[in-house]
Order: sequence, then C-alpha cells, then structure tokens
Amino acid sequence: DVVLTQTPPTLSATIGQSVSISCRSSQSLLHSNGNTYLNWLLQRPGQPPQLLIYLVSRLESGVPNRFSGSGSGTDFTLKISGVEAEDLGVYYCVQSTHAPRTFGGGTKLELK
Amino acid sequence: QVQLKETGPDLVQLTQTLSITCTVSGFSLTTYNVHWVRQPPGKGLEWMGAMWNGGGTDYNSAFKSRLSISRDTSKSQVFLKMNSLQTDDTAKYFCASQLLHWGQGVMVTVSS
Repeated sequence: DVVLTQTPPTLSATIGQSVSISCRSSQSLLHSNGNTYLNWLLQRPGQPPQLLIYLVSRLESGVPNRFSGSGSGTDFTLKISGVEAEDLGVYYCVQSTHAPRTFGGGTKLELK
Repeated sequence: QVQLKETGPDLVQLTQTLSITCTVSGFSLTTYNVHWVRQPPGKGLEWMGAMWNGGGTDYNSAFKSRLSISRDTSKSQVFLKMNSLQTDDTAKYFCASQLLHWGQGVMVTVSS
C-alpha cells in the first residue's frame, strides 16, 4: 500500500502567517494516464472533510485562492498564504492513483 | 449540486452487523464512484472500500473478510454492511463521491 507521510503533524500559526504542509508518498503518484491523483482535504472540528485541492494543484470551486498546491511524483505541498481563523482544523492529503486509496496522517493547524 | 447523506444506527451490539445507507443526489452512481471511509474518535481517516461506477467493488484488505458494499442505482443508494463488529469499529462512517465530495457521516458506537 502507498504510505503518505505528512509533516509537520501539528502547525502553530498566527493570523496572516503563511504556512506549508508536506505530503510525501512511498511511491510515485503519477498515473499511467498522465494525471497525478493527489488531493488535499480540510476537516474542521465536528465537520466532514472538505475538498480544497485536487489533481495536485487545482483549486476546488469556492475555495479561497490563499490555498495552493504543488508538487509531483512523490513530494507534494499545500501552502496557505495568510492563515485566517476559518482555516483551523486538520489537513489531510489523499491519493487515488493506486489501490487501495490511502490518506496521510493529518496535520493539525492551530492558532499560536 | 453533489450531495451525499449517510443513514444508519447510532449503536450496534458487539459481534452484530452494521448496515449504513448512502443516498446521493446531483450525480448518477453509474458516472461517479462512491467510497466508504471511517474515522475513529480523535483519529485519522481510513479508506474502507468503494463501489465503482461500473458496478464493481474494491475493499481494503483490512476489512475484506467482513465488509460488503452494494448499490441500488434506481434509488441512488450505496450500501455498506460489515459483520462481526468489535469495539474498535466505533467510528464515524462517511461516504464520499470520488473522494472529492463527502457526506456528513454517521457516528456508530459498538457496545457490549
């Protein structure tokens, strides 16, 4: 199974600060069809996960453009350019290139 | 607008069978895949299995012997059944289309 390793596990930030979360895969997530199926989700407390980014860097409709995704192969990054209070929660990367689908362990973003 | 809603019991007795229904709207089950994911209290996300748009299924090997996923396309419903429940099956169970759009989840407690 593909293992996704997220770092850091916890991130403390002030409002307005820019932060990055890393997701490293044990195998390349480049599919034979040329797509890389790596998504980023945010789970706010008591809520279901919400899609932020799909296919590495494509912003889901309605998601603020302070969120951005980048990377290729086995290394991926989610960046938040100017944290806002509503961004607090747990961020997960998830891959859909290989079976079984797997999730990263999560990164908790909290206020400093 | 894609929507998913899980319905199922709050409480299941030890060793009994869990049945949850995911009712979808805004898309056809013959177009998009539907996945089942669970989250134990305070922990991360675990992929359980999927109903593919073509009607096939795939399961996480950790559950394969006791998990079954099926569907009724005429009712836009996907079903999860898992037998021999143990206390560590206590979790919130989510369905998600393409792992992009998620239902609110149903919290299931396994009680002795």
